[in-house]
Amino acid sequence: EIVLTQSPATLSLSPGERATLSCRASQSVSSYLAWYQQKPGQAPRLLIYDASNRATGIPARFSGSGSGTDFTLTISSLEPEDFAVYFCQQRSNWPLTFGGGTRVEI
Amino acid sequence: EVQLVESGGGLVQPGGSLRLSCAASGFIFGTFAMSWVRQAPGKGLEWVSTISGSGGGTFYADSVKGRLTLSRDNSKNTLYLQMNSLRGDDTAVYYCAADGAYGSGWFGYWGQGTLVTVSS
Repeated sequence: EIVLTQSPATLSLSPGERATLSCRASQSVSSYLAWYQQKPGQAPRLLIYDASNRATGIPARFSGSGSGTDFTLTISSLEPEDFAVYFCQQRSNWPLTFGGGTRVEI
Repeated sequence: EVQLVESGGGLVQPGGSLRLSCAASGFIFGTFAMSWVRQAPGKGLEWVSTISGSGGGTFYADSVKGRLTLSRDNSKNTLYLQMNSLRGDDTAVYYCAADGAYGSGWFGYWGQGTLVTVSS
């Protein structure tokens, strides 16, 4: 099973600041990595797939990068609605696995 | 507009059974792989199971293999998860998800979730 480790667990920032979230895989997942955003009481929402492709309707301030074992989600300038929990997920191998999440808080 | 609506959750005793359903609309159901992803209270996301668009292929997490069975009825646009021999650690919100046009293995669309509580 591929283990995804996200860091930091919590990121404390202010609106307008840049957020950099990390996801590290226990073995190479090529570019088969996605990022999701989850707000309290809501289902997750797909932000980025195949490491760097934004899903439909996702603002350009969200970007993904990386390949192999190291990946980054960057939010260029935080908006109030961006404070949430972010999960990475791999589809390189079964079972599909998620990282433990990074909470972005004010 | 893609819509996924789960139902069937509730309180069940350990060892009991439950069947979850997910009604889909807004897309050609048989063209997308469908999955269940669960989230225990206050915890992260855990992939449970995936079924191909045709229903010919199913995949399960080791934690549920042999106890949960995933199926679909493409004529009714509905996904099912039969849950048997339930345990306390199965307690979670269960989300139905579709891969959408993003490719198999991604969860492009999600339902609102249904809560399953396993407790005596």
